[in-house]
Amino acid sequence: DQQVKQNSPSLSVQEGRISILNCDYTNSMFDYFLWYKKYPAEGPTFLISISSIKDKNEDGRFTVFLNKSAKHLSLHIVPSQPGDSAVYFCAASAFGTSYGKLTFGQGTILTVHP
Amino acid sequence: ETGVTQTPRHLVMGMTNKKSLKCEQHLGHNAMYWYKQSAKKPLELMFVYNFKEQTENNSVPSRFSPECPNSSHLFLHLHTLQPEDSALYLCASSPTDRGTDTQYFGPGTRLTVL
Repeated sequence: DQQVKQNSPSLSVQEGRISILNCDYTNSMFDYFLWYKKYPAEGPTFLISISSIKDKNEDGRFTVFLNKSAKHLSLHIVPSQPGDSAVYFCAASAFGTSYGKLTFGQGTILTVHP
Repeated sequence: ETGVTQTPRHLVMGMTNKKSLKCEQHLGHNAMYWYKQSAKKPLELMFVYNFKEQTENNSVPSRFSPECPNSSHLFLHLHTLQPEDSALYLCASSPTDRGTDTQYFGPGTRLTVL
């Protein structure tokens, strides 16, 4: 049973436009959410996170939105740049019940065209 | 060297071989992790170590044997693997094993079992 799902395997966006990557989760115990970015031949790198006490967190061009009632989070990249082309993973943890354990989605390949 | 390093980057082994994967972190962190990423599947947590003590074993078969001699080094000893164990093995570290601590990943070892 996959507790974190990224239903879009890929997304293609024009440079300068908005990229929206989506993630759904099923475990109501999850209370901390992260996005990681991965380039080929490199390990994932942390991008942005959000705690369940918030519904939005912003860092430069990256904003994560959390809708707890819908068990849904999204990552917005504005404006998108060709260097943003990578695989994006969302991840979740349940701080109180599973120390250190991150559950990942299967990733979305983002391609930003010049 | 900075960050999290992994050796070797690529490994091909037969089912009867014994090999080891090595991970080293230069970040002063106390928690280290092994993840497995199979083709078209999410990253899957295998083991968590905190201050050299194993705090999580995610039902991993005994043919995978982790070792953490100190907080900077983590090994994954492999023996009598199966072809379905072919995957990307990623190591990560974080300041502690709290789920809210950012995990920093190495580039991974691409393992092929023949």
